[in-house]
Amino acid sequence: ETGVTQTPRHLVMGMTNKKSLKCEQHLGHNAMYWYKQSAKKPLELMFVYNFKEQTENNSVPSRFSPECPNSSHLFLHLHTLQPEDSALYLCASSPGERGRTDTQYFGPGTRLTVL
Amino acid sequence: KNQVEQSPQSLIILEGKNCTLQCNYTVSPFSNLRWYKQDTGRGPVSLTIMTFSENTKSNGRYTATLDADTKQSSLHITASQLSDSASYICVVSARSNYQLIWGAGTKLIIKP
Repeated sequence: ETGVTQTPRHLVMGMTNKKSLKCEQHLGHNAMYWYKQSAKKPLELMFVYNFKEQTENNSVPSRFSPECPNSSHLFLHLHTLQPEDSALYLCASSPGERGRTDTQYFGPGTRLTVL
Repeated sequence: KNQVEQSPQSLIILEGKNCTLQCNYTVSPFSNLRWYKQDTGRGPVSLTIMTFSENTKSNGRYTATLDADTKQSSLHITASQLSDSASYICVVSARSNYQLIWGAGTKLIIKP
């Protein structure tokens, strides 16, 4: 339950604000992920990091900027967001040895509202 | 195009009843299929994983089936409990690039 933590749990921001989402995993994993979850839609993979290196960016707008200082921490820096960016942002981690087919362990998510 | 379709979109049943959720996919070549449970306000949690050669896998009151020929999977919940209220998400992995294809989920509500 506490293997992957995310802060803050809720965030309301204006379109001109700059904020950051934080994710920390305590599972000793080597891969970390950011997902966007909108209502009634499938999870959208945004970024993948393996051993601190970004290995995937799924055409995410530059107003989302990830940072992975080490294998345990992942950040998502937000600036100049749009109302359609309002969603649940989920962080996940996996062992990383077998690529993305590893079972992923998710944090509770950050509910983001852009006004 | 690789896709995962889940049905129904939502389902309401009485506590103690059984239910079955469906997942159809067009992912090829197939690697594995997972069912996740996502409680409200929480991240998804893996329930089962099935590979090509597995037809059935159980996890307590949850039983997943896989028919790789028809590209269909189902998740059967027996003797439902209030704590089963959640969204259930089907995820299929493609063997070619390890891409995960996520379904939109089925929202299950158990009423007392």
